[in-house]
Amino acid sequence: DGGITQSPKYLFRKEGQNVTLSCEQNLNHDAMYWYRQDPGQGLRLIYYSQIVNDFQKGDIAEGYSVSREKKESFPLTVTSAQKNPTAFYLCASSPGGTNYNEQFFGPGTRLTVL
Amino acid sequence: GESVGLHLPTLSVQEGDNSIINCAYSNSASDYFIWYKQESGKGPQFIIDIRSNMDKRQGQRVTVLLNKTVKHLSLQIAATQPGDSAVYFCAENGGGNQFYFGTGTSLTVIP
Repeated sequence: DGGITQSPKYLFRKEGQNVTLSCEQNLNHDAMYWYRQDPGQGLRLIYYSQIVNDFQKGDIAEGYSVSREKKESFPLTVTSAQKNPTAFYLCASSPGGTNYNEQFFGPGTRLTVL
Repeated sequence: GESVGLHLPTLSVQEGDNSIINCAYSNSASDYFIWYKQESGKGPQFIIDIRSNMDKRQGQRVTVLLNKTVKHLSLQIAATQPGDSAVYFCAENGGGNQFYFGTGTSLTVIP
């Protein structure tokens, strides 16, 4: 099955701890994205990567970090510097290359910081 | 239609009726639009897309209409079914492979 997987589905952490969310895709897509979704709000872009070993900040990158060492993987670390980390996190991927490619989303990880 | 805020717009329809969900986008330079469906606790699913050189596109039971003059997008769902209950939101691609997403409309289908 081709697709995007995110793990875990639910994650609980204590305040002040860093936590890493996993995102893997076997679609051979060049571009990958991390979004944050809060109740009643649209998806907000945290980081994106157009190609391996390269990534750019999105609209709300503060308190987050990413890496793109492999084409199929784009892990997101939520650091202790993120003031309000409790949210639903969505990873997406896209073939890239043109403006007319949809983004395919993973199932999401719900992070709760206690 | 969609708007920024803490409460999603809601739409309730009877099973079998048609549904119309609206979206206002902001960037007149956006040239590609997508409608997504998101069920509770899941990731968004692609429904249908449209490029700016078109004003209408049809899929299976769904139609997207684009009015570039007033920067308005709509999604029409024919013969709405209980399985259509979800949050629907539009996304606009303003360039550089980055999408901007609306807040969504919550559709409830009444059996």
